[in-house]
Amino acid sequence: GDSVTQMEGPVTLSEEAFLTINCTYTATGYPSLFWYVQYPGEGLQLLLKATKADDKGSNKGFEATYRKETTSFHLEKGSVQVSDSAVYFCALSQYNTDKLIFGTGTRLQVFP
Amino acid sequence: GAVVSQHPSRVICKSGTSVKIECRSLDFQATTMFWYRQFPKQSLMLMATSNEGSKATYEQGVEKDKFLINHASLTLSTLTVTSAHPEDSSFYICSAKSLRLGETQYFGPGTRLLVL
Repeated sequence: GDSVTQMEGPVTLSEEAFLTINCTYTATGYPSLFWYVQYPGEGLQLLLKATKADDKGSNKGFEATYRKETTSFHLEKGSVQVSDSAVYFCALSQYNTDKLIFGTGTRLQVFP
Repeated sequence: GAVVSQHPSRVICKSGTSVKIECRSLDFQATTMFWYRQFPKQSLMLMATSNEGSKATYEQGVEKDKFLINHASLTLSTLTVTSAHPEDSSFYICSAKSLRLGETQYFGPGTRLLVL
């Protein structure tokens, strides 16, 4: 069945460092891909998404490109801030379904 | 906008008792609500999908008599874990979507259940 694999955390960075969180997927067809973020004490929030190959999703300085050839959707940010400290979830859903399939989440800790 | 709350945030109960978890959409009407379960260091797993006024659709392997879901109004869904056992201890998360707001699911902060 469909699945999502993302790197284990925690990822610990200093402020202004470059961030990459790897995400790969296994799925039939052409799923939509998502990154969700969960700040402490809050629910998951949609950070960005891409619905077809080579699409780039972006929001709040974060980017991820849908790479069908490598079945990847890596999350990147050029300069992280302390306020980016959170848990990041990669997810996919198949066309015309509500079902989200999540990775295990990666905790990011950014220190001043 | 599009805020979802859950109550309680954490609950401890004795084995054999039933526990009810509420999920509310605070500022929108949720046509569909979802219940997820997350074990430590594992993914969120969808348990069931419910539409207001109709029976929930459960994912394969989820016992519908064990996890009772009621979606009685457009702003409230409840999950009742019946005759809870220690293996039911987990983090339960709900989400909601509205046709008016598009396809995005809005998530609650989760409820941690510990069964002793």
